[in-house]
Amino acid sequence: DAKTTQPNSMESNEEEPVHLPCNHSTISGTDYIHWYRQLPSQGPEYVIHGLTSNVNNRMASLAIAEDRKSSTLILHRATLRDAAVYYCIQVHWTSGTYKYIFGTGTRLKVLA
Amino acid sequence: SQTIHQWPATLVQPVGSPLSLECTVEGTSNPNLYWYRQAAGRGLQLLFYSVGIGQISSEVPQNLSASRPQDRQFILSSKKLLLSDSGFYLCAGTGGTGELFFGEGSRLTVL
Repeated sequence: DAKTTQPNSMESNEEEPVHLPCNHSTISGTDYIHWYRQLPSQGPEYVIHGLTSNVNNRMASLAIAEDRKSSTLILHRATLRDAAVYYCIQVHWTSGTYKYIFGTGTRLKVLA
Repeated sequence: SQTIHQWPATLVQPVGSPLSLECTVEGTSNPNLYWYRQAAGRGLQLLFYSVGIGQISSEVPQNLSASRPQDRQFILSSKKLLLSDSGFYLCAGTGGTGELFFGEGSRLTVL
């Protein structure tokens, strides 16, 4: 199964931008790139996803490399509430459904 | 919008006892459904997924089973729990946009 690679942890100062990197070197042409985040003792929350083009929503931006082997989640102004584990996943179509295989994620610490 | 409900929220079970975790979905029909397990301090492990009633795919051979008796109901079961079954169990489903929605989770402790 496709696995992504992310740094174990990152730190950011409050109100500064945060760039969370992800490598997905085995990605195929039809695989989507999804990002989720998880607060302690809660289920993950959807953040953003994309296929080839960069994407923006109210939570974040997603920058996808031209060769699609890496992507970066951008939080434009980190707040204390953004402290969470961020998962980048490569969503693969198989057996009539999309499979969402989570890696170990990046734990983001936001400093006041 | 899609909502996923799970119960029970927490449970403590002795080794060898049975298990049944239930998940129901609101706000969408024909969802693809997923069961994940998260051990303490670890990432999410995909256990089972289902594309429809009675259709179950297993990702990891283990002491657990899943069933989908209705379109919006997904059940995780075990006949005899092991210590290693302890963890945070999450049910998830997809709506039309491909986003994965998660329930609140069920925390299982096997003693």
